[in-house]
Amino acid sequence: QSALTQPASVSGSPGQSITISCTGTSSDVESYNRVSWYQQHPGKAPKLMIYEVIKRPSGVSNRFSGSKSGNTASLTISGLQAEDEADYYCCSYAGSSTWVFGGGTKLTVL
Amino acid sequence: QAQLVESGGGVVQPGRSLRLSCAASGFSFSTYAMHWVRQAPGKGLEWVSFIWYDGSNKYYADSLKGRFTISRDNSRNTLYLQMNSLRADDTAVYYCARDSAGTGGGYFDYWGQGTLVIVSS
Repeated sequence: QSALTQPASVSGSPGQSITISCTGTSSDVESYNRVSWYQQHPGKAPKLMIYEVIKRPSGVSNRFSGSKSGNTASLTISGLQAEDEADYYCCSYAGSSTWVFGGGTKLTVL
Repeated sequence: QAQLVESGGGVVQPGRSLRLSCAASGFSFSTYAMHWVRQAPGKGLEWVSFIWYDGSNKYYADSLKGRFTISRDNSRNTLYLQMNSLRADDTAVYYCARDSAGTGGGYFDYWGQGTLVIVSS
């Protein structure tokens, strides 16, 4: 159950788009379309942003989108806004009813 | 609206035990699987444990080595995490999270605000 690999930090200016990658293995990301993404503001609980690779929960802005290719999943945020500044975590089902998170990516809106 | 409220955290000495609770409301608790996820100070999220909607199946992260036990009381709409032989590296905020389905849909759609556990002498 090794953590998924995410960049430690990404940044972008308001209005720009950014992409956060999440690299796993053939045992998790590559094998299952059960990748989800969570946004966490300082001192707050995580919030579900994307599930099943590409789906967006009700109430989440369509500026957030997900994708996957092989063992790497990605979260793209378009039209960056100040309130998007937060930590983002990917998570994948890893088989045998276990889950694995990424190390997290700190998004800075310049 | 689903709501999850954790309790039971605090300061505990190494080697001692602690039981966390998570009170659920606003949804049919007995039909959803539940998880515990933890976050050490300044660190990332770590999946800890998972229990089916009826409590019949339970799963744990390998790193816990049998020290933690997840359980639930559907009559009380409450999820539990019994933590034994606590170590300094168990220090973390512990979140309970609802799974999207009864037997593990694959994602966590509601989270509590967390309860802080500090293991220190």
